[in-house]
Amino acid sequence: DQQVKQNSPSLSVQEGRISILNCDYTNSMFDYFLWYKKYPAEGPTFLISISSIKDKNEDGRFTVFLNKSAKHLSLHIVPSQPGDSAVYFCAASGINFGNEKLTFGTGTRLTIIP
Amino acid sequence: EAQVTQNPRYLITVTGKKLTVTCSQNMNHEYMSWYRQDPGLGLRQIYYSMNVEVTDKGDVPEGYKVSRKEKRNFPLILESPSPNQTSLYFCASRNRWQSRHGYTFGSGTRLTVV
Repeated sequence: DQQVKQNSPSLSVQEGRISILNCDYTNSMFDYFLWYKKYPAEGPTFLISISSIKDKNEDGRFTVFLNKSAKHLSLHIVPSQPGDSAVYFCAASGINFGNEKLTFGTGTRLTIIP
Repeated sequence: EAQVTQNPRYLITVTGKKLTVTCSQNMNHEYMSWYRQDPGLGLRQIYYSMNVEVTDKGDVPEGYKVSRKEKRNFPLILESPSPNQTSLYFCASRNRWQSRHGYTFGSGTRLTVV
């Protein structure tokens, strides 16, 4: 049972435009959410996170939005750059599960078109 | 350079032949974790450790063992590998005082069991 879902396996966006990556979760006990970015032949790199007590967190060009009632989070990248082309994973954890249990989505491959 | 080092990067082995994938970090991190990445399934946690001699199961621990005798090392042991353990494996670590789950990942070990 996939508790964290990324329904779009791939996404193509023109350079300079906004990229929006989506993630849905089913377990209401999740209270902390993260996004990781992965280039080929490298390990994932932590990008940005958000606690369930917030609905938005911003870091430079990256903003994560959390809609708890819809069990949905999204990552916005503005403006998109060629170096943003990578696979993006969302992940979730819950304090009741133990601090180090992370559940990842299946990933979305983002391609930025120059 | 602060990093998580996994060895080997690539490994082809036969069913039933015991193997160990090593993981070492030079950041004095308390927390370490192992993940496997499979197509359509994202990253799934195998085992994690919150300190020396403290380990716990993740979501898919069957067929794997770990040990944490020293803070810097967290080897993954496959006592009797099977073809369904063919996967891309990642080791990760973080400081206990960092933002929760800001893990640093290694570059991965691609294992093929024939």
